[in-house]
Amino acid sequence: AQKITQTQPGMFVQEKEAVTLDCTYDTSDQSYGLFWYKQPSSGEMIFLIYQGSYDEQNATEGRYSLNFQKARKSANLVISASQLGDSAMYFCAMRETGFKTIFGAGTRLFVKA
Amino acid sequence: EAQVTQNPRYLITVTGKKLTVTCSQNMNHEYMSWYRQDPGLGLRQIYYSMNVEVTDKGDVPEGYKVSRKEKRNFPLILESPSPNQTSLYFCASSLEPTGGYGYTFGSGTRLTVV
Repeated sequence: AQKITQTQPGMFVQEKEAVTLDCTYDTSDQSYGLFWYKQPSSGEMIFLIYQGSYDEQNATEGRYSLNFQKARKSANLVISASQLGDSAMYFCAMRETGFKTIFGAGTRLFVKA
Repeated sequence: EAQVTQNPRYLITVTGKKLTVTCSQNMNHEYMSWYRQDPGLGLRQIYYSMNVEVTDKGDVPEGYKVSRKEKRNFPLILESPSPNQTSLYFCASSLEPTGGYGYTFGSGTRLTVV
């Protein structure tokens, strides 16, 4: 069965440093998509970045990059040059060919000034 | 403004009293979905719809109903709410169910069933 695991319930990072949020997934499908979303304390959900299972290059969107290691079934989010506004909950998600999308439990990131 | 609109934002109700949470998107998106968010569990998919009159169950559909009579609307119905349905609910849509189209989420509905 498909599953998303985020093993870090909470993380701290110093402002201006880079941070990696871990995500591992389990699927038997060959075609799938991986997503990261941000949920600030205000509660809204914001789409950050996408990686397709057939994409050979890691996805990047501004300060966000996705470290995709297909053989290890990991899709870690890297945030470079952390800012105070990056403090939020981050969710990893996976969509399989059946169009269901599942989410991990999330990682709460705290950025220290 | 492109958006997903959910109503109400907050709702307190009693066990067994039928309720509907509305969801509407103005982006002509094909794919819509409902999630509930509970602490420590992330978001769990309740139902999703790939187009008008096409809906399917997610991982936690029990106690919920949906309909997709128009492309823009995807209401969530709780016929007989129970306290274990107290949660934060999100409606989400995306242009297509495949490819790199991330979700646009509504602002959420915080439901309390007493």
